[in-house]
This record gives sequence, structure tokens and C-alpha cells, in this order.
Amino acid sequence: IAGITQAPTSQILAAGRRMTLRCTQDMRHNAMYWYRQDLGLGLRLIHYSNTAGTTGKGEVPDGYSVSRANTDDFPLTLASAVPSQTSVYFCASSDPTTGGGYTFGSGTRLTVV
Amino acid sequence: AQKVTQAQTEISVVEKEDVTLDCVYETRDTTYYLFWYKQPPSGELVFLIRRNSFDEQNEISGRYSWNFQKSTSSFNFTITASQVVDSAVYFCALNYGGSQGNLIFGKGTKLSVKP
Repeated sequence: IAGITQAPTSQILAAGRRMTLRCTQDMRHNAMYWYRQDLGLGLRLIHYSNTAGTTGKGEVPDGYSVSRANTDDFPLTLASAVPSQTSVYFCASSDPTTGGGYTFGSGTRLTVV
Repeated sequence: AQKVTQAQTEISVVEKEDVTLDCVYETRDTTYYLFWYKQPPSGELVFLIRRNSFDEQNEISGRYSWNFQKSTSSFNFTITASQVVDSAVYFCALNYGGSQGNLIFGKGTKLSVKP
């Protein structure tokens, strides 16, 4: 089934630990994105990548890094997790031929304690 | 600046009532896309509709309809004869900077439909 796979589904992480959230798509979309969702704040863009080999910063990039070594994978790394990074993280991809329509993964619920 | 405002934080209706969710956007781009997404209690984000800035025709899909008015920068969403299964958080979003630009979201409107 074509779409986006995120892993893990949920995670409890000790503050100060390093964590990588995985995101893989099989739709060959050029653009990929990471959002975080927090109550009352909606979804906010963390980082994006318009094509393999390039990345850019979104609205809330601090404390996060990304890489885009190939078209399919777009991992998000928290180098040293802090409690304020407790959130639900969504990965998404888009196909410019459909006018920017986004496909979202099912999300990763991260709790930093 | 690009911005999406959903002024209604929560709405509660009784089943079979009609309900309109408001969305107002700001952008200086002449080419942009507007979206509505549904997030049911299960948490996934479900795409509902996409509209480009050059197409102001209203759209109806079953019980759902959308009213796009560039003059007021609004893209409102109406559910007719609401059902309990419509209970969800609904997000309006703006894609600016062309087809591969970034998508920014409003803060969402939580709709509760009571039997």
C-alpha cells in the first residue's frame, strides 16, 4: 500500500538522550516534511526537504536535525531530547504534479521525561 | 506573512444540525493552494479538499461543501446534517510559494457532534 511509514509509533525517552524518528515513503515524492502537533498550536513545520540532498528549516527547527540521503527516507533526529519536545510528530510528503497535495504518516507520539 | 486563522476553537452541535467551520488566510502570493484536513480521534490526518487560488468555484461533496472567497480571504467548510462520525479536529491549511512550497496550518477547530 503506497504511503508513508513512520517508526516508532510511540516512544518514552529520557531527557538528554538522542533519538531518531524514521520516515519512509514509497510514492517517489520529491518533497518531504516534518511537523509537530501540540494542543492548541496546531501543526508546525520543523524541517523540510524539497528534493534528495537538500533540506531547509521550518518554523520550529531548534533542537532537531534532518537528512535526505535519498528520495524515500527523511529521518528526524533529536540530538539531546528535552521535555518541551514532547509532542506528536508527523512526517509528510508531497507531489508537485497534484498541486502540493500532502500525504501524512500516522504519527509518532514522543514523550520526553 | 503567511497565516491561517481558525477562530473557532471548539464547536458542539447536535446530530443533523448544519455546521460551518471558518478559515481566514493571509498571503501575498498570487498562486497558492488551500486545504482542509480532518483528524479523527484515532489521530491520522485525512485529506478532504484542495483548492487553488485561481478557482473560486464552490464545491460540494456529499454532505460537505466549501465556500472559497478571495475577496474576504476565506475558505469556509460546511457540514450539512452532521453525524457523530464527523466529530474530529478540522484543520485549514495554506500552501504558498508554488506547488512545492510549504504547508502552514491553522490551529484547528474541534467539532463535537452529539447524538
